[in-house]
Amino acid sequence: AQKVTQAQTEISVVEKEDVTLDCVYETRDTTYYLFWYKQPPSGELVFLIRRNSFDEQNEISGRYSWNFQKSTSSFNFTITASQVVDSAVYFCALSTQAGGTSYGKLTFGQGTILTVHP
Amino acid sequence: NAGVTQTPKFQVLKTGQSMTLQCAQDMNHNSMYWYRQDPGMGLRLIYYSASEGTTDKGEVPNGYNVSRLNKREFSLRLESAAPSQTSVYFCASSKEGYDIRYNEQFFGPGTRLTVL
Repeated sequence: AQKVTQAQTEISVVEKEDVTLDCVYETRDTTYYLFWYKQPPSGELVFLIRRNSFDEQNEISGRYSWNFQKSTSSFNFTITASQVVDSAVYFCALSTQAGGTSYGKLTFGQGTILTVHP
Repeated sequence: NAGVTQTPKFQVLKTGQSMTLQCAQDMNHNSMYWYRQDPGMGLRLIYYSASEGTTDKGEVPNGYNVSRLNKREFSLRLESAAPSQTSVYFCASSKEGYDIRYNEQFFGPGTRLTVL
């Protein structure tokens, strides 16, 4: 079975601080994808990044960066110089190529509420 | 190109009432999904449809039924609503559910449902 754990329920920072959101996953599959989604106060889910299990390169997109480490089954997300607009709930998710009817489903973590204060 | 649309945005029901949540996508995706989001529990899959004409149960299917009306539309029905079904419901679609290379999911705006 697949499992995603986001141990940080809530994080509060002051603007311009760097913040890292942790994500730990469990799967027996060797082929899988990891995702991060952002849910701002307006409620919609915004796709941020997808990473496959064969690509451990870290990725940077503006102020966002992601650190994927298969050795520790972690896919952490760092926001550099946080801004008030970064306040949202962030979800980490896992998708595996399991057989039978388990294709395509996303297993979500519980989410981390990030509040950035001015 | 609207992506994934859901109606209604908000709904209040009394216990025992029925209703159908509508979802449509215009991206020519094969796979569609219904999730519910509850505080502290992330999103949980209710039902999914890998392709037109097929539906399968997800993690929390009890109390729900679905219909894949055509390739574009996937509806979720509550036959006899219960307070435990108070939640935010999200519909999603992906190009191809069978191959995870193409199963990036795109989400609708959500429906906030309250059952009294």
